[in-house]
Amino acid sequence: AQSVAQPEDQVNVAEGNPLTVKCTYSVSGNPYLFWYVQYPNRGLQFLLKYITGDNLVKGSYGFEAEFNKSQTSFHLKKPSALVSDSALYFCAVREEQAGTALIFGKGTTLSVSS
Amino acid sequence: GAGVSQSPSNKVTEKGKDVELRCDPISGHTALYWYRQSLGQGLEFLIYFQGNSAPDKSGLPSDRFSAERTGGSVSTLTIQRTQQEDSAVYLCASSLQGQGIYGYTFGSGTRLTVV
Repeated sequence: AQSVAQPEDQVNVAEGNPLTVKCTYSVSGNPYLFWYVQYPNRGLQFLLKYITGDNLVKGSYGFEAEFNKSQTSFHLKKPSALVSDSALYFCAVREEQAGTALIFGKGTTLSVSS
Repeated sequence: GAGVSQSPSNKVTEKGKDVELRCDPISGHTALYWYRQSLGQGLEFLIYFQGNSAPDKSGLPSDRFSAERTGGSVSTLTIQRTQQEDSAVYLCASSLQGQGIYGYTFGSGTRLTVV
């Protein structure tokens, strides 16, 4: 069975500091991993994905994520947080060989203070 | 259209009534997905359509929920005999294909309130 966990309901960080939003996953085979962001009163937007290749993937708005197979993690990072990064972030996973839809985590609320 | 369109954006219904939610995916996207977003529950998968294949209905929470996709395009999610626990935001997404390497484009959702 496929699953994804976001262990933190909320992450608080000061503007200008680095941020990390954690995600761990469980699949039988190779994972496809995604991050989405939901700004207040707006729809879900794609941030970045890992399919294959380099473990460090870069996405929109200066975000990046590192795929770590041994730790089954795909943490979202940004070197310097902005107040405008405050939003709800979702990690999602799908097993490469499974013909199924993405499984999403429960989401992590990121709050960046000025 | 340019994006995934969902209607209505808001729906208030009385307990026990049936509701229909509509999703118009991006033209050319063969895969279509329905999810439900409840407070504190994240995104719950409901159903997935891929081309002409039989849909994956494994996420539908009860037999009161059903969905169809006509002509490989527009999809309708129907909830019969609505209950208060059905209150949530229902999100539709589409992707170029269902193989999983493509990200999803989400609609703005339908906020369903059952009173």
